[in-house]
This record gives sequence, C-alpha cells and structure tokens, in this order.
Amino acid sequence: DTAVSQTPKYLVTQMGNDKSIKCEQNLGHDTMYWYKQDSKKFLKIMFSYNNKELIINETVPNRFSPKSPDKAHLNLHINSLELGDSAVYFCASSHALAGYNEQFFGPGTRLTVL
Amino acid sequence: AQSVSQHNHHVILSEAASLELGCNYSYGGTVNLFWYVQYPGQHLQLLLKYFSGDPLVKGIKGFEAEFIKSKFSFNLRKPSVQWSDTAEYFCAVNQISGANNLFFGTGTRLTVIP
Repeated sequence: DTAVSQTPKYLVTQMGNDKSIKCEQNLGHDTMYWYKQDSKKFLKIMFSYNNKELIINETVPNRFSPKSPDKAHLNLHINSLELGDSAVYFCASSHALAGYNEQFFGPGTRLTVL
Repeated sequence: AQSVSQHNHHVILSEAASLELGCNYSYGGTVNLFWYVQYPGQHLQLLLKYFSGDPLVKGIKGFEAEFIKSKFSFNLRKPSVQWSDTAEYFCAVNQISGANNLFFGTGTRLTVIP
C-alpha cells in the first residue's frame, strides 16, 4: 500500500547512457514532482506536473525530460548521462497546485554515473 | 527567489537532551512552512507544517515548531530526544500565492548518542 513508489531504487550506469526512473502514486493526487538531492543532501525542485501539463520547469538541462502517461505516473528520462547527474532523485505528489498542500515523497532512486 | 537557511549542519546530542534546530527563510510574502525528516536509508516524511493560526505547531513524535514572522524563522524543537531521532532534518518553505514548489534548506544531521 505504498503511497508514492519509485523504481529502481538503485541505478548504476555509464556516462553517455540514457536511463529512466519511474514514479507512481496511489493517493489520487493530481500534481507530481521530481526533486534532486545532491551529495551534500541539498534538495532542489526539478519539475512538477499538474493534470499532465508541465507547469514548473526549473533550470535543469534539457537532457532531463519528465513524462506523464497519466495522472498517477511521472517518469523521469535522462539522456546522455553525465558524472554530475549522480544524485538521489525523489518523486513527490500532492493535491492540486496551490501552496496549502503537503507533498508526499517516494523512497528515492540513487543514481550513480560512472 | 526563496532561500532557506539551516545554520546547524550537524548536531550531536545525548539521549534526553533538548533539541532546537534553526530555520530561516528569505521570502517576505505569505508562506507555508514545513519540517521533513529523513531517517537513514528512508524517504522524506512530514514532521509538521504551518499554514496559518497558532504559530506554535505540534507534529509527530513529540516535535514542535514555532513560526516567528518578524524573524522569518521556523525553529524545530523537542524537549527530550531519543536515539531513534537520529536522522536528517529539512526545513522547507513554499509561497501560497505561487506554485506548490517546496524550497528546502540544506538539512541538519542529528546524531543522538544513547
């Protein structure tokens, strides 16, 4: 009965590869997010999706592309992986977009680029 | 843009000691405030939140936080810590007038010695 789930939990890959991280939520939320946590534990918003529309796109490289097949899923696709992409990526979800809504986080995906 | 400061990077306490973790933010408008906790190897969980009303909010596991608008602060407190409180603590802020974007502090690692 996991609320927000991510797969895989760990991802080790070579530079230049393309990879995807999947996220699913069963909370009935209509907004989902991707955050990046760097080696110093700093968390930064990357994207958010509301009703299948990208509504916030922070200054991340265009090698990163979020894809939402439906309201319950927001996958993160990364092209041409670089060493600096190594981090933990967290998916989150909330009701609507207004600022009063708590975000629920997934367990994270630790990406290591060699 | 928002910025959130957590000045304590690593706090080490003995069990039963009192805890106070500082959090300051830079935005001058109306904000919502959160404290999240990340236990070792786990995902972020909400400890408590402030939206409006009583500036002293109580959360789970005996934690509380006080919103002081004049100081742009939202410090986390617990009167008596336990070994199980060992974790990373993140303060986060969002703007009620904007998108539900959470801006996180850099986190404070708490180590409780039995």
